[in-house]
Amino acid sequence: NAGVTQTPKFQVLKTGQSMTLQCAQDMNHNSMYWYRQDPGMGLRLIYYSASEGTTDKGEVPNGYNVSRLNKREFSLRLESAAPSQTSVYFCASSESSETQYFGPGTRLLVL
Amino acid sequence: GDSVTQMEGPVTLSEEAFLTINCTYTATGYPSLFWYVQYPGEGLQLLLKATKADDKGSNKGFEATYRKETTSFHLEKGSVQVSDSAVYFCALGDSGYALNFGKGTSLLVTP
Repeated sequence: NAGVTQTPKFQVLKTGQSMTLQCAQDMNHNSMYWYRQDPGMGLRLIYYSASEGTTDKGEVPNGYNVSRLNKREFSLRLESAAPSQTSVYFCASSESSETQYFGPGTRLLVL
Repeated sequence: GDSVTQMEGPVTLSEEAFLTINCTYTATGYPSLFWYVQYPGEGLQLLLKATKADDKGSNKGFEATYRKETTSFHLEKGSVQVSDSAVYFCALGDSGYALNFGKGTSLLVTP
């Protein structure tokens, strides 16, 4: 039982490049989330998916797109990376509004 | 909107000292409250939670009581260990969507 997995662990991009962050969970949870963590800012919600086939914007969605591929997988895409998107990205899942389970994170540096 | 405020860090304590990390919240409804812990280089893990007023969450020697009258959910531990060094996040769960996190409090425990 791996829980929530994320790939890649680290990534360096140049400004303007695109990439997709992958997330998968094996707990059969309905809800999945993408957060970013920046120093002194805590975690901020980018997008979430309450159930398969639905996605909604969170607090900081600009510059990102998401796809809920199936119940297990929820990907985050940066179409044209900017230095302001340098951050640590966390995926999480939950069965309801209660306990969320987090992945190990993806550290992204945009030059 | 709903929000969480937690004490600024970093907090530095000697081993076996008493720990308190303050957390207060603002919410229109009756949220669930959480403490998450993040060890260096890892994702967030649920430490404890409380779902209604006067509930006490506890885990690994940590405790927090949901106080509706003071809108607080302070984290305490009677005797900290070096292995407790981490960043601690207070969070509020509302409306069935994502969690609202505080900015985090870094704890360093020295031998």
